Amino acid sequence: DAGITQSPRHKVTETGTPVTLRCHQTENHRYMYWYRQDPGHGLRLIHYSYGVKDTDKGEVSDGYSVSRSKTEDFLLTLESATSSQTSVYFCAIRDTPENSPLHFGNGTRLTVT
Amino acid sequence: GNSVTQMEGPVTLSEEAFLTINCTYTATGYPSLFWYVQYPGEGLQLLLKATKADDKGSNKGFEATYRKETTSFHLEKGSVQVSDSAVYFCALSSPSGGYNKLIFGAGTRLAVHP
Repeated sequence: DAGITQSPRHKVTETGTPVTLRCHQTENHRYMYWYRQDPGHGLRLIHYSYGVKDTDKGEVSDGYSVSRSKTEDFLLTLESATSSQTSVYFCAIRDTPENSPLHFGNGTRLTVT
Repeated sequence: GNSVTQMEGPVTLSEEAFLTINCTYTATGYPSLFWYVQYPGEGLQLLLKATKADDKGSNKGFEATYRKETTSFHLEKGSVQVSDSAVYFCALSSPSGGYNKLIFGAGTRLAVHP
């Protein structure tokens, strides 16, 4: 299994509070991704990174920011959590060759009350 | 834009039945196509992939053929087992965007009973 660790695995927070989710990889892969999974929507890309300090937006980036200061860590921050951000968040990594598959972490279940 | 459409679930089958989960796509150029599987409480795992037209991906008894003429990548298995119960996602990545953005279908839940 790809070495991907997401933390925390579960979090409950209140509306308006900041939240940071962490993804840590031990594979030295260049590409890292944050997806959210919601019923009926499959997985939707929030942000991704193609190198240290290099990031780009996905299709549902509003309300989220990311940072990647080291190859192994990719942080997702909700500056002011809202109930619509209640979801399961998955981190994924990908090796450099084109068409390489994504490898996923086990997810973080976030509940915003 | 690029998109993936999967048949809605849940799909409920008896053990040893034949499985088909339909997937069609819209994409510019020549995308790569994937099937991922998600077991309860886990992340997605790659099941199989195909990178060009007429390629057949296969793994663990599952197969899917990249059909450019019908823009489809249907997942099949000849004899399902209870352990195949999971959610299956069809996905594509496209040369536009440098293969960076994997686009997923909504997922199809499969339930296999003894």
